Amino acid sequence: DAGVIQSPRHEVTEMGQEVTLRCKPISGHNSLFWYRQTMMRGLELLIYFNNNVPIDDSGMPEDRFSAKMPNASFSTLKIQPSEPRDSAVYFCASSMGQGGYQETQYFGPGTRLLVL
Amino acid sequence: KQEVTQIPAALSVPEGENLVLNCSFTDSAIYNLQWFRQDPGKGLTSLLLIQSSQREQTSGRLNASLDKSSGRSTLYIAASQPGDSATYLCAVNKHNQGGKLIFGQGTELSVKP
Repeated sequence: DAGVIQSPRHEVTEMGQEVTLRCKPISGHNSLFWYRQTMMRGLELLIYFNNNVPIDDSGMPEDRFSAKMPNASFSTLKIQPSEPRDSAVYFCASSMGQGGYQETQYFGPGTRLLVL
Repeated sequence: KQEVTQIPAALSVPEGENLVLNCSFTDSAIYNLQWFRQDPGKGLTSLLLIQSSQREQTSGRLNASLDKSSGRSTLYIAASQPGDSATYLCAVNKHNQGGKLIFGQGTELSVKP
C-alpha cells in the first residue's frame, strides 16, 4: 500500500487567499483525521471522520476552516481566507476502528503551509 | 480536560546506552496509548500501541509500559543507535471520545555515535 497520500507537500500563499489541502487515506481504512502541528501548540486534532461522516470538529479553530470527505478515498481541508497564523504543518492520518474507537493511526507526510 | 506531558523535552545519549522516555496523562480513563516517532520534516510513524487493559508492549528493542492508575507510560529503548535519533511522541485515546488522540509535546532524542 502507498500509505496516506497528501498534496501538496508545500504551499506558500498570501494572506487572504484560499488554501485547499488534500488527503487520500489508506484503502480500507474507515476513519480519517486532520491534525495541525506548530512549535507553540504541538500536534492538535482539527477534525476526524468515521465512515465519511464528521464525528468531532471541536478542534477546528474557526469558521475559516472547513473539511469535507465526499467519499472513502478523499478528503479536503480548506482555509478561506488564510492568515499568517495558519502557517503550520498539516497532517492527515487514517485508521481502522469499530464503534468510533480507533486503532493505530497512520500518518501522511504532511503539508507544510506558509501564509505570508 | 486530558493533558499529556512528556519529560524530558530533549535527551542526548551516547550510542549503546539504554534509555527511558516518560509520558504522563491527567485522566486515567483512556482507551489506549500510542507511541510515535517523528523524523525531522516527516510525518509520524506508529511504534507501539498499548490497550488500556495491557501493561506493556514490545517491538524489537522497544518496550512500552502503561500504568493507568498512576497516569504514566514509559518507552524503553535498549542499546540505542544513531538511527534512533528522532522526536518521540506519546498520545492517549480518551475512552469516551472515539478516535481523538491527545498528544504530548514530544521528547527530542539524539544518539551520538
